[in-house]
Amino acid sequence: DAGVIQSPRHEVTEMGQEVTLRCKPISGHNSLFWYRQTMMRGLELLIYFNNNVPIDDSGMPEDRFSAKMPNASFSTLKIQPSEPRDSAVYFCASSYSKSGANVLTFGAGSRLTVL
Amino acid sequence: GIQVEQSPPDLILQEGANSTLRCNFSDSVNNLQWFHQNPWGQLINLFYIPSGTKQNGRLSATTVATERYSLLYISSSQTTDSGVYFCAVRRGGSEKLVFGKGTKLTVNP
Repeated sequence: DAGVIQSPRHEVTEMGQEVTLRCKPISGHNSLFWYRQTMMRGLELLIYFNNNVPIDDSGMPEDRFSAKMPNASFSTLKIQPSEPRDSAVYFCASSYSKSGANVLTFGAGSRLTVL
Repeated sequence: GIQVEQSPPDLILQEGANSTLRCNFSDSVNNLQWFHQNPWGQLINLFYIPSGTKQNGRLSATTVATERYSLLYISSSQTTDSGVYFCAVRRGGSEKLVFGKGTKLTVNP
């Protein structure tokens, strides 16, 4: 298994531009999570999906952030317009929920820098 | 929401030393995982351990769910053990995994 695949690995953009981060979860996993990591706030859950349905988006900072999961093998996190404070590492993770056992596997992350 | 506290925040060891990292959580959980974030930023799952004890090579973990804490033991530490160790927990009825702030471990040769 190739694991959770994220792209791009690095993104540098200018303030005001649209940013799209992509994630392919592990095949067979039914839950997908987007986390953001910063020095100040650590690892924060932004949103998670179960069976492609968004379950909890309470961690999404504001309306500039949106996430979709059109099918079981693909998800996107979009920031429009981007701001310098959005600079962070964005992680996607997936898991298979079964009888409470829910082992999370992370992708390599997408490092976003907004100038 | 549930609170996760890890200690110590920083730890510096000489190669070959042993260490114990602690994770306290504020409510009952049905999922606890330990992760290692290596110097390249990759988050690697070490243990899924909502209760009991597990061992994997030089690493072992124990969770005492009734007392709301978990311990990660690293024996005979190596420089490759350096990085940040995170504890993450999940309450029943939610898929949300909440992370502690981590313990930054530096193992010097």
